[in-house]
Amino acid sequence: DAKTTQPTSMDCAEGRAANLPCNHSTISGNEYVYWYRQIHSQGPQYIIHGLKNNETNEMASLIITEDRKSSTLILPHATLRDTAVYYCIVRVAYSGNTPLVFGKGTRLSVIA
Amino acid sequence: GAVVSQHPSWVICKSGTSVKIECRSLDFQATTMFWYRQFPKQSLMLMATSNEGSKATYEQGVEKDKFLINHASLTLSTLTVTSAHPEDSSFYICSVGQGLQYEQYFGPGTRLTVT
Repeated sequence: DAKTTQPTSMDCAEGRAANLPCNHSTISGNEYVYWYRQIHSQGPQYIIHGLKNNETNEMASLIITEDRKSSTLILPHATLRDTAVYYCIVRVAYSGNTPLVFGKGTRLSVIA
Repeated sequence: GAVVSQHPSWVICKSGTSVKIECRSLDFQATTMFWYRQFPKQSLMLMATSNEGSKATYEQGVEKDKFLINHASLTLSTLTVTSAHPEDSSFYICSVGQGLQYEQYFGPGTRLTVT
């Protein structure tokens, strides 16, 4: 899997948008960008994934640059429950029989 | 998405004893299961990959004789930590996958403390 780079930590005020960046300059053409998060002492939770178009679901939006070398996860209205470590992972999609490889992620703290 | 459970959620055992952790896929036929461990303030580290009915594939540095993995059915995998030592104290997490799925589903984790 291609390597990703994320900031170690970020703060966000409750109710504001949280924008989490990720660099993946060596991403291959068949690799997708995935985001997972891990709330303290829980298993990781899938958030969203995308190839090259922007994606949105009930949890978040994913903005991928045209050259696909970076992306941003957007939590539109962050709440205290969004405090977690967010992991950006690039991998070939529809490959559920290969493991996810986690980097260090970004620790997001949502502040009241 | 699939529901994955782990049992127990936490366990304390004495040094030298063995402990078994179960991972169940409640509504998803998991051809592949993965075991991770996570030390405090660190990321998840893949320990092994197991396919139903086959021997597990262990990551470099993970002792296969110490961490016994059994994946006997499409809904159950077990991780047995044999002769546990305090340095085995960690958060163990399983996940399940299937070839054509885009997502992996994670269990809630099991916290092991070895005294």
